[in-house]
Amino acid sequence: GDSVTQMEGPVTLSEEAFLTINCTYTATGYPSLFWYVQYPGEGLQLLLKATKADDKGSNKGFEATYRKETTSFHLEKGSVQVSDSAVYFCALSDLDSSASKIIFGSGTRLSIRP
Amino acid sequence: GAGVSQSPRYKVTKRGQDVALRCDPISGHVSLYWYRQALGQGPEFLTYFNYEAQQDKSGLPNDRFSAERPEGSISTLTIQRTEQRDSAMYRCASSPGTGNTGELFFGEGSRLTVL
Repeated sequence: GDSVTQMEGPVTLSEEAFLTINCTYTATGYPSLFWYVQYPGEGLQLLLKATKADDKGSNKGFEATYRKETTSFHLEKGSVQVSDSAVYFCALSDLDSSASKIIFGSGTRLSIRP
Repeated sequence: GAGVSQSPRYKVTKRGQDVALRCDPISGHVSLYWYRQALGQGPEFLTYFNYEAQQDKSGLPNDRFSAERPEGSISTLTIQRTEQRDSAMYRCASSPGTGNTGELFFGEGSRLTVL
């Protein structure tokens, strides 16, 4: 079945460092891809999404490009802040199928040092 | 309320007891999802509803788990004869329409501990 694999954490960086969190997927259809973020004590919230190959999703300085040839959707940010400390989840959804469930990766915890 | 509300936030129960977890979605949201999240893992799909109709229950682990949404708004996830392996965070999410755009609005979750 469909699945998502993302790099294990925790990832610890200094403020203003460059961030990459890797995500690859396996899907039989043409999935849409998402990054969700969970801040401490809160529920998950959508960070960005891309619905077709070569689309770039972006929000709050984060970007991810849908790469069909490498089945990847890596999350990047040029200069991280302490407030970016959270758990990040890569996810996919096959919007063309009758099943509307979204499948999540295991999450990557990010900690930013001042 | 403004967001998805789940109750109780924390539930400790003894093995063999039944538990009911409640989810109150964002007003007007058509779709409602239940996920289970073990520590250090991502959310695992359990079931989802469009209005009051349960569209997919393929993620429910066994017949001790059931869910309902009788009036198309509040939903209850029930676990009968709980076991220690049921201990997890149970998360509810809602979305505005039946067409899945992938944007789910999550509640803060109900943490279940089975002793």
